[in-house]
Amino acid sequence: AQSVAQPEDQVNVAEGNPLTVKCTYSVSGNPYLFWYVQYPNRGLQFLLKYITGDNLVKGSYGFEAEFNKSQTSFHLKKPSALVSDSALYFCAVRGGSNYQLIWGAGTKLIIKP
Amino acid sequence: GAVVSQHPSWVICKSGTSVKIECRSLDFQATTMFWYRQFPKQSLMLMATSNEGSKATYEQGVEKDKFLINHASLTLSTLTVTSAHPEDSSFYICSARDLGAEKLFFGSGTQLSVL
Repeated sequence: AQSVAQPEDQVNVAEGNPLTVKCTYSVSGNPYLFWYVQYPNRGLQFLLKYITGDNLVKGSYGFEAEFNKSQTSFHLKKPSALVSDSALYFCAVRGGSNYQLIWGAGTKLIIKP
Repeated sequence: GAVVSQHPSWVICKSGTSVKIECRSLDFQATTMFWYRQFPKQSLMLMATSNEGSKATYEQGVEKDKFLINHASLTLSTLTVTSAHPEDSSFYICSARDLGAEKLFFGSGTQLSVL
């Protein structure tokens, strides 16, 4: 069965420190992987995606994610966290010809000053 | 955990017909639901924000008369694509906010193909 796991409900990071939000997936075929962010009282915003090519993908707001096929992971990272990065982050995957997106449960990221 | 049911998962229709997509929160009350559209190999685009009991708020460039949204109850929002045309063919996905859990849950999406 296709699935996406975000193992942490919440991640706490001090401002200026690097952050990582984890995502692992299980899908048949080559995955299309996405990260989205939801700021308070707003809809989803696209951060970045991996379709093919370089395993390290750079996205909006200084975020990046690394596709690791052997570990079936697509962790979201940022070298230096900002308080304004505090939000809900969602990982999603679409496998092969399946049009349906499979979503992770979300990870709440809290950046403390 | 909380589940959002979106139906149908795929639909094929003739040009000029209307298609209704339902989004239900199964075990929580969703005062706010979001409707998104995704073109192939592109990211989700927010179409509108639906608040229970009030008119939906549409994003710039989204025709409210074309994409009718109804959120008449705390567990159901519907998106009706009126007089569908081939350019409306896309993947539509809804999400529902569970205020109690401060979480956003997503439907599995609807692939619409207009012939």
